Amino acid sequence: EVQLVESGGGLVKPGGSLRLSCAASGFTFSRAWMTWVRQAPGKGLEWVGRIKSKTDGGTTDYATPVKGRFIISRDDSENTLYLQMNSLNSDDTGVYYCSSDPYWGQGTLVTVSS
Amino acid sequence: DIQMTQSPSTLSASVGDRVTITCRASQSISRWLAWYQQKPGKAPKLLIYKASSLESGVPSRFSGSGSGTEFTLTISSLQPDDFATYYCQQYNSYPITFGPGTKVDIK
Repeated sequence: EVQLVESGGGLVKPGGSLRLSCAASGFTFSRAWMTWVRQAPGKGLEWVGRIKSKTDGGTTDYATPVKGRFIISRDDSENTLYLQMNSLNSDDTGVYYCSSDPYWGQGTLVTVSS
Repeated sequence: DIQMTQSPSTLSASVGDRVTITCRASQSISRWLAWYQQKPGKAPKLLIYKASSLESGVPSRFSGSGSGTEFTLTISSLQPDDFATYYCQQYNSYPITFGPGTKVDIK
């Protein structure tokens, strides 16, 4: 059974940092292109970024609002995806999902507030 | 960035109705479009990819069409399980972008 389990969410002050993790199982993680998508409370879906598989170059792409602040990485030996979030502001509040279509995690909530 | 729009933003319909949602891209995206369904408190679910390819396990009452800048998602006969919010997503170029969503609720 495929599982994606996000963790690391919580309350952080504006300007702070947070690292999210996504533990994957049930599929060949090392071959998968992995994506982060977020959703602000009561709002629509927003693509955050993607990391390709190492065999496809391992490169990353980011949404404009997070470029230069967020970093996506992966540890294929641990089947884990990461999202390092820096210089957080209130617009970054929301549920963060990791995905590799058609598989999605349940999401982890990040709240940026003083 | 490619901007995606959807219409309508809300759609009230009854079980058995044929429902059509339109998605438009600000520039041509060929057929690199996906449709997702999301229910409250749940992760999105992929329905359609490459504009018209049905994801495995998705009921055949869902269909997609279009190319270039205009796309449609059709539900041929709305079922109780289909009341949800639907999002289109372009993946023609980075950054990938979603439409604002169409909420399908009960008339």
